[in-house]
Amino acid sequence: KAGVTQTPRYLIKTRGQQVTLSCSPISGHRSVSWYQQTPGQGLQFLFEYFSETQRNKGNFPGRFSGRQFSNSRSEMNVSTLELGDSALYLCASSLRDRSLWGEAFFGQGTRLTVV
Amino acid sequence: SQQGEEDPQALSIQEGENATMNCSYKTSINNLQWYRQNSGRGLVHLILIRSNEREKHSGRLRVTLDTSKKSSSLLITASRAADTASYFCATDTGVRAAGNKLTFGGGTRVLVKP
Repeated sequence: KAGVTQTPRYLIKTRGQQVTLSCSPISGHRSVSWYQQTPGQGLQFLFEYFSETQRNKGNFPGRFSGRQFSNSRSEMNVSTLELGDSALYLCASSLRDRSLWGEAFFGQGTRLTVV
Repeated sequence: SQQGEEDPQALSIQEGENATMNCSYKTSINNLQWYRQNSGRGLVHLILIRSNEREKHSGRLRVTLDTSKKSSSLLITASRAADTASYFCATDTGVRAAGNKLTFGGGTRVLVKP
């Protein structure tokens, strides 16, 4: 089974621009979560989607948004980039039903640098 | 905000020694998970322990959970250079309406010297 695939792996953007990151979950996984990792704040939850619905959102400004498509692939968008948005963005997929709490499978991440 | 706090922040040991790291959390959980991350890459799931379990083993890994103290420990026995990585605990409060959401600790950086 292919793992979680994130594209692109590296990005360099200029302040004020916007960026879109993509995540393809493991086949059959309907839950996709996004996390931001920085040296100062560590790993922070951004949002989670399940069957195209956002079920939970972390404490991030509205510049951070996401969506999930019918094939479970997900994208996140960051508009009006700021220097502080430089981070490793990680996507995770999970196979969960209502009674089974399982592990998350992470992609290799997208390293975003804002200059 | 971070649910878990990990201790120590960094650990340096010789190959063959055991490595122990601890995680404390604040709220009730359904499960606690440990992940490994190599050099800023993706996280790899190591082990999951449910709130009604006290100890779990997987290969050279041993995890304990004390829900009364809201703490967990990860022991890596007979460490190898390849175990050099950052280790994170993550808690899942498991509220269905809240969906999948892991809250991570700050991590322990482990260096295993050959």
